[in-house]
Amino acid sequence: EIVLTQSPGTLSLSPGERATLSCRASQSVNSAFVAWYQQKPGQAPRLLIYGASNRATGIPDRFSGGGSGTDFTLTISRLEPEDFGVYYCQRYGSSPLTFGGGTKVEIK
Amino acid sequence: QVQLQESGPGLVKPSGTLSLTCAVSGDSISSSNWWSWVRQPPGKTLEWIGQVDHGGSINYNPSLKSRVTVSVDKSKNQFFLKLSSVTAADTAVYYCARNPNFDWNAFDIWGQGTMVTVSS
Repeated sequence: EIVLTQSPGTLSLSPGERATLSCRASQSVNSAFVAWYQQKPGQAPRLLIYGASNRATGIPDRFSGGGSGTDFTLTISRLEPEDFGVYYCQRYGSSPLTFGGGTKVEIK
Repeated sequence: QVQLQESGPGLVKPSGTLSLTCAVSGDSISSSNWWSWVRQPPGKTLEWIGQVDHGGSINYNPSLKSRVTVSVDKSKNQFFLKLSSVTAADTAVYYCARNPNFDWNAFDIWGQGTMVTVSS
């Protein structure tokens, strides 16, 4: 099973700042099968990025994804107040579907 | 607008069976999509449990396979989760979610989740 490790655990930033979140896989992953989700307290996750770099429907262009092989990133170019929450990366494309441990983006 | 809604008991006794229903609206469960269950223990990350398609084809997480049953009722546009021999470690928010177009896809639509506590 491929293990996804996210870093940092917590990112403390101010609105308007740039956020860079990392997701490292224990072995090479097809970039076509990497997704990112945002989760706010008490809510279900929301799909942000699929195929490593494609924004899901309705996702603002301040969110971007990239990477290949074992290293993937989610970048939020300018943090808005509604962007604070926990972000998870996910590997899909084969069994089992797995998630990283999450990165919490909090207000500094 | 596609919506998923979980329902079921919020409290299950240890060694019992957890049973949940996911009602699908705005999409047909007979479409080309797959339908999954995902759980999240308090303060922890997400864990995929299993999935089903309209024809009853099923995939399970190997870590839970011996205790999980996922099924579908096309006539009601619903799918179901049963998890047997539960312990406190199965306490979690349980979500149903959609995998569009093929089984091993990401999750594009989620239910709001339902908290299930395993306790006597």
